[in-house]
Amino acid sequence: GQNIDQPTEMTATEGAIVQINCTYQTSGFNGLFWYQQHAGEAPTFLSYNVLDGLEEKGRFSSFLSRSKGYSYLLLKELQMKDSASYLCAVRSGGSYIPTFGRGTSLIVHP
Amino acid sequence: KAGVTQTPRYLIKTRGQQVTLSCSPISGHRSVSWYQQTPGQGLQFLFEYFSETQRNKGNFPGRFSGRQFSNSRSEMNVSTLELGDSALYLCASSVRGQNPNEQFFGPGTRLTVL
Repeated sequence: GQNIDQPTEMTATEGAIVQINCTYQTSGFNGLFWYQQHAGEAPTFLSYNVLDGLEEKGRFSSFLSRSKGYSYLLLKELQMKDSASYLCAVRSGGSYIPTFGRGTSLIVHP
Repeated sequence: KAGVTQTPRYLIKTRGQQVTLSCSPISGHRSVSWYQQTPGQGLQFLFEYFSETQRNKGNFPGRFSGRQFSNSRSEMNVSTLELGDSALYLCASSVRGQNPNEQFFGPGTRLTVL
């Protein structure tokens, strides 16, 4: 099976930078996703990493180290609207379907 | 392009009843996956349908079943409802077979079992 760990909750200040970590244990790793989910809404796709390194997309960046089973999502210039749950999901074993972590609830305050 | 739609959005049932939820994927998406989301367990995979066949199944009892129609629309059925089935049920569609193959989620059906 898979084991995906991420912090339950984080708080940060508007305008700051926050890093949300995700560690995983799996065999046959085949990609890692980050999704954002606002309260009462559906998760939306943020990023996908399959090779080691940093993928940057505007204010959001995602990093992957396959040898360490580790990823992080970096959010810069935080805005109030970034308050949401961030879900790390890992795909493995040839399956098209990822397994999701329990999510990190990020609270951005003024 | 219209997004993933789910009906109904809210449902209240009592223990022992059964329920059917519906999901219409994004046009052109042939894979539909179903998830159960609860505060305690997070997002848990139920099953995936592709070309009217169940391709993957999560660790849920047989009371949870689904099907997919030729137009890729999918239904999920839960029989003999239990209090613990109260959750947000999300469906997601994807193209399948094309990296990154990200999933596009619908707004969910909030099921409350009394």
